[in-house]
Order: sequence, then structure tokens, then C-alpha cells
Amino acid sequence: EPEVTQTPSHQVTQMGQEVILRCVPISNHLYFYWYRQILGQKVEFLVSFYNNEISEKSEIFDDQFSVERPDGSNFTLKIRSTKLEDSAMYFCASTREIQETQYFGPGTRLLVL
Amino acid sequence: AQKVTQAQTEISVVEKEDVTLDCVYETRDTTYYLFWYKQPPSGELVFLIRRNSFDEQNEISGRYSWNFQKSTSSFNFTITASQVVDSAVYFCALYQPGGGADGLTFGKGTHLIIQP
Repeated sequence: EPEVTQTPSHQVTQMGQEVILRCVPISNHLYFYWYRQILGQKVEFLVSFYNNEISEKSEIFDDQFSVERPDGSNFTLKIRSTKLEDSAMYFCASTREIQETQYFGPGTRLLVL
Repeated sequence: AQKVTQAQTEISVVEKEDVTLDCVYETRDTTYYLFWYKQPPSGELVFLIRRNSFDEQNEISGRYSWNFQKSTSSFNFTITASQVVDSAVYFCALYQPGGGADGLTFGKGTHLIIQP
């Protein structure tokens, strides 16, 4: 069964450093998403991406964040200058049609020191 | 704006008991989709069910069942004969087309503990 994959599973970085989180969505899916879950809290929508551009973004997704689909398979989230409060689990998700089920990757746990 | 409320922060039951997880949602639209996801201790989000607003039929899948009631804006989840492996955080989520965000709106989750 096809699944969303994410790398790395864990990342530790120093405050102010740039990080890139990588995702490979399910191959025939067209809509891609990033979500964030701060430890012990609910899952929060960051951004959606369709047809090689951002479709929607939340207020969390400020200028420090960017997304890219550099090739036909990868979907990346870049945090330009990490802050302590960026420490969270980051989930990638994809869906074939916008109203269909979003399938989530296993997440990347980011720790900013 | 849409909102999902899971009032039960944590539920603890003994194995084989039945347990119901509550979910109440708010949306202004008549077309929307409701979901339940399971987050086991390993951290991933596992899809359980999707329901659209025009289908109020209850669903049963093995020991899992879902009760969707538009009159009370609720989409409750029942586990029958609970097992230790059911221990996880369960999230209810809402998607509203054209609601200003393509993403799911999640509740805060219910931490379910099944004791042996």
C-alpha cells in the first residue's frame, strides 16, 4: 500500500540555523500539506500546495517558512532561521482530490536548541 | 470559522470495556467532511474514517463504530471491547471546502488509556 514518507525522522538543530524537512507524497496525489504538532498539543495546519504553488497558508506560516517541490517526487518545508518555538513534530500529508482523505507521513521531530 | 471540540482530555478504562470518544464541531457550511485519526505512542497519524456531511449513516468497522448526528453537530467514536493496543491519542478533524484553508481543523485530541 502506498504511503507518505518523511526524512529525517528526527532532527536537532541550533537556534538560527536553517532546516529542510523532506517528504515524498503518495505518487498519484496532487495536493500536499504540512502540519505542525507541538508536543502534547493538537495538530495545526501550516500550508497546502497544489499545481506547484501555495494554495493556502495559516498564520503560523510566516516568512521564515517556505515550501518547494523541487522535482516530481519530493515536497520540502524549509525553516530559514529556526527558533526555540519551532520545536515540534512536522507532518506531511497528501491527497488525490482536495476533499478526499489526507494521508499523513510518520513525521519529523524537530528539536531546536 | 470552523472549530472542533474534544472535551475529554483523557479517558482511562479497563480492557474489554466499551468507550466512547466525543467530538463536537462547528461550521457554517452545509458541505463538510469529518475525520478521525489515531496517534499511537510511536507518533504517526493513522486515518480511521472519513464522513461527508450528507451521509448521516452510522458506520461500524469491527470493534469501531461512529455515530454522526448533524442535529447536535457531533461525530462520536465508540470502541467496543477495548484492547490495550487501542491506547493512543485520538483526533477528530473537520474539513470545510472553501473555508479559507485547505487544511484540516483538528480537535485537541483525547488520550485513551486502556489498562490490562
